[in-house]
Amino acid sequence: QVQLQESGPGLVKPSETLSLTCTVSGGSISGYYWGWVRQPPGKGLQWIGYIYYRGSTYYNPSLKGRVTISIDTSSNEFSLNLSSVTAADTAVYYCARVTSGAPWFDTWGQGTLVTVSS
Amino acid sequence: DIVMTQSPDSLAVSLGERATINCKSSHSALYSSNNRNSLAWYQQKPGHPPKLLIYWASTRESGVPDRFSGSGSGTDFSLTISSLQAEDVGVYYCLQYYSSSPMYTFGQGTQLEIK
Repeated sequence: QVQLQESGPGLVKPSETLSLTCTVSGGSISGYYWGWVRQPPGKGLQWIGYIYYRGSTYYNPSLKGRVTISIDTSSNEFSLNLSSVTAADTAVYYCARVTSGAPWFDTWGQGTLVTVSS
Repeated sequence: DIVMTQSPDSLAVSLGERATINCKSSHSALYSSNNRNSLAWYQQKPGHPPKLLIYWASTRESGVPDRFSGSGSGTDFSLTISSLQAEDVGVYYCLQYYSSSPMYTFGQGTQLEIK
């Protein structure tokens, strides 16, 4: 059973870059798409972007220019960088898996809260 | 932009009664590769990630009770819980994948409670 685990700082200063890593265990990172979804406290879900294991990326247009997703297949990890953060980027950040040809998030990490504050 | 609008925003239903949540998209959910609807439903409980219930608009995920069903096509979809149980309380989200962009859009969520 594949498991996903987010890791990274829980506090980021305004204007700095939020960086998170998702570690995939119990299965291979190859052959799948890997994405990020966030949820501000008390609010709904927002898709951030996703990456194919071969490296092609797709981002939410509303965040484009600030988001970079990368992947390290040798470490079974993928990462999210979100630059120039503001308080509006405070959220629980989830990593999740998409199976090719099955366009939904079928496996999720537990999520990690990132607060943007000075 | 693709807009997914769920209705109602909140819903209170008695135990054992039927609950229906609707999801309307501004763009067709047709997935060109197989002519199916790329629409999924999730249940989320506080402090937990979303749980996949339904995909391809009407296919139940393995292990999901058969009181959950999905229907609809094109731009209009519904999630129905045929006989509400206490454990069904939570927030429900629809998710559409738009293959032309490609991108994902979630509905705003529907809070389901016991009356």
